[in-house]
Amino acid sequence: EVQLVESGGGLVPPGGSLRLSCVASGFTFSSNWMHWVRQAPGKGLVWVSRINNDGGSITYADYVKGRFTISRDNAKNTLYLQMNSLRAEDTAVYYCARGGHYNFDLWGQGTLVTVSS
Amino acid sequence: EIVLTQSPGTLSLSPGERATLSCRASQSLSSSYLAWYQQRPGQAPRLLIYVASSRATGIPDRFSGSGSGTDFTLTISRLEPEDFAVYYCQQYGGSPEWTFGQGTKVEIK
Repeated sequence: EVQLVESGGGLVPPGGSLRLSCVASGFTFSSNWMHWVRQAPGKGLVWVSRINNDGGSITYADYVKGRFTISRDNAKNTLYLQMNSLRAEDTAVYYCARGGHYNFDLWGQGTLVTVSS
Repeated sequence: EIVLTQSPGTLSLSPGERATLSCRASQSLSSSYLAWYQQRPGQAPRLLIYVASSRATGIPDRFSGSGSGTDFTLTISRLEPEDFAVYYCQQYGGSPEWTFGQGTKVEIK
């Protein structure tokens, strides 16, 4: 089955760190760009970061630049998001998504990150 | 930043009716860079339409996309019960590279 499964979310205090993982199956992970997209409770979708197929090209949204790091391990079919210096406004469901033709053609079920003391 | 503005915010319709959702961009887009997603309550988004008018795999033909430049439309020809959801448009280009509209909720009247 073609799918993405995220894990690693949870409750973390402001200033804390968390590492999200996304395991891909059913397709050739190493051939695809991958993204993280987040959704604050009751709000819309916001793109966070993307990484190209070999990890050699990475971009971030300005509001996470310098705090979040995206990476991938193609041998393990896994995408990561290291999140440091977390703020209350980072509270959201974080989705990993496969890059399609300038869009996101496959989504995971999401993992909830709550930043609160 | 390219801003996408979706209208209306909420669309109240009955099953069987036609839904027309609008997405307007703050500057002209290549049609290749416009997509639509459906998000049902408690679920992840799902790609419906890409390159403005192509249906994604497994998407019923009651969903269609059209438009060019700054004005794009998602049409659902006859609403089924499972179509009541939130719909987002998305574009690629500029900084940040990917942006979404704020969403249109299609609710049962």
